[in-house]
Amino acid sequence: NAGVTQTPKFQVLKTGQSMTLQCAQDMNHNSMYWYRQDPGMGLRLIYYSASEGTTDKGEVPNGYNVSRLNKREFSLRLESAAPSQTSVYFCASSDPGYTEAFFGQGTRLTVV
Amino acid sequence: QKEVEQDPGPLSVPEGAIVSLNCTYSNSAFQYFMWYRQYSRKGPELLMYTYSSGNKEDGRFTAQVDKSSKYISLFIRDSQPSDSATYLCAMKTWAGGGADGLTFGKGTHLIIQP
Repeated sequence: NAGVTQTPKFQVLKTGQSMTLQCAQDMNHNSMYWYRQDPGMGLRLIYYSASEGTTDKGEVPNGYNVSRLNKREFSLRLESAAPSQTSVYFCASSDPGYTEAFFGQGTRLTVV
Repeated sequence: QKEVEQDPGPLSVPEGAIVSLNCTYSNSAFQYFMWYRQYSRKGPELLMYTYSSGNKEDGRFTAQVDKSSKYISLFIRDSQPSDSATYLCAMKTWAGGGADGLTFGKGTHLIIQP
């Protein structure tokens, strides 16, 4: 009964390094999302994927790329990390027949 | 002005108190309203979901929507230390569609003192 699984849980990067955050869901949901959560800013949508093979920009897409590898997996890539990308990143999935989003436990990323 | 406004707190109350958490919004097209609860170092999880105006009760929790005032509330009765968490309101203009178009408040950090 895993739900939405994110890896890694914690990461420290140096400015300019790249990394990929992984997300997988086992609920057979079509839609998947990447959010970032910052103090005082709340949850902000980075990218989303309505179905396998499609991706769309959210509110704060600059500096990120995504890949919807298959129905289960949706990855977020930082090509050249910047301190402004220090945040907690959440992956979520949902079924288009409902209005609920299911969230993973988050990835705490620090860029120094 | 943000579409959804929520006081970030922290809000600290003694155990057993009635807690009132609130959000205001500016988009009159919002019709579906949710409250998510987020424990420290965890992802948000859906707590309550309401449509249109009125009250919805679930155990110690009551969600209230006043569309004329563009104001939603979450009441927690007989608050417990285990209720300590961040509560995020969320809303959207249409049903279904998963989290598409979901707009979140910034969250209120609630502390229940034993």
